[in-house]
Amino acid sequence: GAVVSQHPSWVICKSGTSVKIECRSLDFQATTMFWYRQFPKQSLMLMATSNEGSKATYEQGVEKDKFLINHASLTLSTLTVTSAHPEDSSFYICSASSVTSTDTQYFGPGTRLTVL
Amino acid sequence: DAKTTQPNSMESNEEEPVHLPCNHSTISGTDYIHWYRQLPSQGPEYVIHGLTSNVNNRMASLAIAEDRKSSTLILHRATLRDAAVYYCIPMEYGNKLVFGAGTILRVKS
Repeated sequence: GAVVSQHPSWVICKSGTSVKIECRSLDFQATTMFWYRQFPKQSLMLMATSNEGSKATYEQGVEKDKFLINHASLTLSTLTVTSAHPEDSSFYICSASSVTSTDTQYFGPGTRLTVL
Repeated sequence: DAKTTQPNSMESNEEEPVHLPCNHSTISGTDYIHWYRQLPSQGPEYVIHGLTSNVNNRMASLAIAEDRKSSTLILHRATLRDAAVYYCIPMEYGNKLVFGAGTILRVKS
């Protein structure tokens, strides 16, 4: 149980285009979903926290107009990287906590974004 | 957020126990101690968490010092699949996880 999926697993795009990444909780309802970014050989950095039906809360230094987060249902959150640039190339990981176990986060497998 | 100190890396032999230490001297009384691990090119995986008492599950054991300023994750028999980065994260219930650098565990066959 407690499986989180991400789609796509990897994506290559041209500079200036937008990319959408989906995060789904497959077998549980997620009250809260989190988005992280991880650069090579670095730790995960929390970008934002989203609750279903509410606006996301962004961490300091993360541009909310560049990283659009939508959490339309208890099983789906999306992250859209708008006008992507090479410096946005990174490993994007989502996680979710369930309504029954809010103190444990279940992570997706990650999405590798490469911006040319 | 409580600061944590973990060794940069550790090495273990396969089939032997591994003790991964973590210092969290600034932990607050309501912070749970969470451990996650991340295998290469994957998202993190929950390992175990506890508040005051030692905890066991099918993956590992967590030994928490009486003053709660340190804890130790114990893998009873390391396998090659346990090679990963292990993160110790104090977190208040329902709050957000803040990842530090973690400990790179290498397992030798």
